[in-house]
Amino acid sequence: AQKVTQAQTEISVVEKEDVTLDCVYETRDTTYYLFWYKQPPSGELVFLIRRNSFDEQNEISGRYSWNFQKSTSSFNFTITASQVVDSAVYFCALSEARNAGNMLTFGGGTRLMVKP
Amino acid sequence: DGGITQSPKYLFRKEGQNVTLSCEQNLNHDAMYWYRQDPGQGLRLIYYSQIVNDFQKGDIAEGYSVSREKKESFPLTVTSAQKNPTAFYLCASSLDRRNQPQHFGDGTRLSIL
Repeated sequence: AQKVTQAQTEISVVEKEDVTLDCVYETRDTTYYLFWYKQPPSGELVFLIRRNSFDEQNEISGRYSWNFQKSTSSFNFTITASQVVDSAVYFCALSEARNAGNMLTFGGGTRLMVKP
Repeated sequence: DGGITQSPKYLFRKEGQNVTLSCEQNLNHDAMYWYRQDPGQGLRLIYYSQIVNDFQKGDIAEGYSVSREKKESFPLTVTSAQKNPTAFYLCASSLDRRNQPQHFGDGTRLSIL
């Protein structure tokens, strides 16, 4: 069965520090999709990135970057030069291609606190 | 603006009462989902629907019911059989294809009186 583990429940950094949020997944499927979402204090989940299992290229979007490594089943998320507005709960999620629907399995989330 | 609207934002339930949470989307998405989030935890799938007039149970469907009479709407009823309903409920929608991201509403926080 699929599983997503975010071992860091809470991280606290000072503004301008770099921070990496870890995500480890388990799946028996060879085709799958990985996602990161941000949940600010207002509650809604905001989609950040999607990556399929055949594309191991790392991706950078502004201060955000993602490192996908199939060999270690990890999809880690790094925020460079963190800002107070980055404070939120971040979720990693997995969708297997063999699922009947486009269902997501979520990790437990990592609460990031960026202090000024 | 396209998006997902959940209402109400806060809801209180008395013992033995059924309550219904509303979810409407104008993104023309076929698939819709309901998740439950407990404090400090991830999201768990309650129900999902890939098409009008059809829906499937998720991981924690007991004590909940849904309907999908219109593409835009996917209301969730929390029945009296759900003994621990206090949680944050999130509705989402997506195109019905494997790798499509789900888009979420602002959520409804349900508490017991």
